[in-house]
Amino acid sequence: ELKVEQNPLFLSMQEGKNYTIYCNYSTTSDRLYWYRQDPGKSLESLFVLLSNGAVKQEGRLMASLDTKARLSTLHITAAVHDLSATYFCAVDPRRGSNYQLIWGAGTKLIIKP
Amino acid sequence: NAGVTQTPKFRVLKTGQSMTLLCAQDMNHEYMYWYRQDPGMGLRLIHYSVGEGTTAKGEVPDGYNVSRLKKQNFLLGLESAAPSQTSVYFCASRMDMNTEAFFGQGTRLTVV
Repeated sequence: ELKVEQNPLFLSMQEGKNYTIYCNYSTTSDRLYWYRQDPGKSLESLFVLLSNGAVKQEGRLMASLDTKARLSTLHITAAVHDLSATYFCAVDPRRGSNYQLIWGAGTKLIIKP
Repeated sequence: NAGVTQTPKFRVLKTGQSMTLLCAQDMNHEYMYWYRQDPGMGLRLIHYSVGEGTTAKGEVPDGYNVSRLKKQNFLLGLESAAPSQTSVYFCASRMDMNTEAFFGQGTRLTVV
């Protein structure tokens, strides 16, 4: 069974701190996507990671992909309140998915002033 | 640049009523998806399409039907709505296997 596991599922942190969200997946893949969802809103694409060792950065967020470990991380540096949201990772398996994306359950991030 | 547009944004149905949700994309994408999102459940795939005239079942297809008669449109139908179908529905599209999916703004459906 194709699985994508995110942890933690819930994270409350103080502004200015650093933290990492993990996304583990159970199948061979070199295509992984990170999304952000604000409460009551739609999903917005953050990062597209298409190869082993890929690293993308946007502001205080940095995403990386290790296909051998089947692991992606989303690192938050010096968190600010505006980053409060739910973050999803999604994996595009090479086979067995029939063109579907396999989604993690989401990590709800609350950043307190 | 409209992207992915869902119609309607909100709807309240009575049990047993039917309705159709419309998803339209103007990016010439091949793949289109319908998801439902319930609190604490993440995204669950209902049906998807890999091209005009094709559809396939996802994880939770029961009670829903879909059609993709035109490449730009993907319709989701509820034949006889049930309270269990109260949810937020998202449509998404993507060009191919190496690109991200783009989402519509969502449809909040309540079945009473």
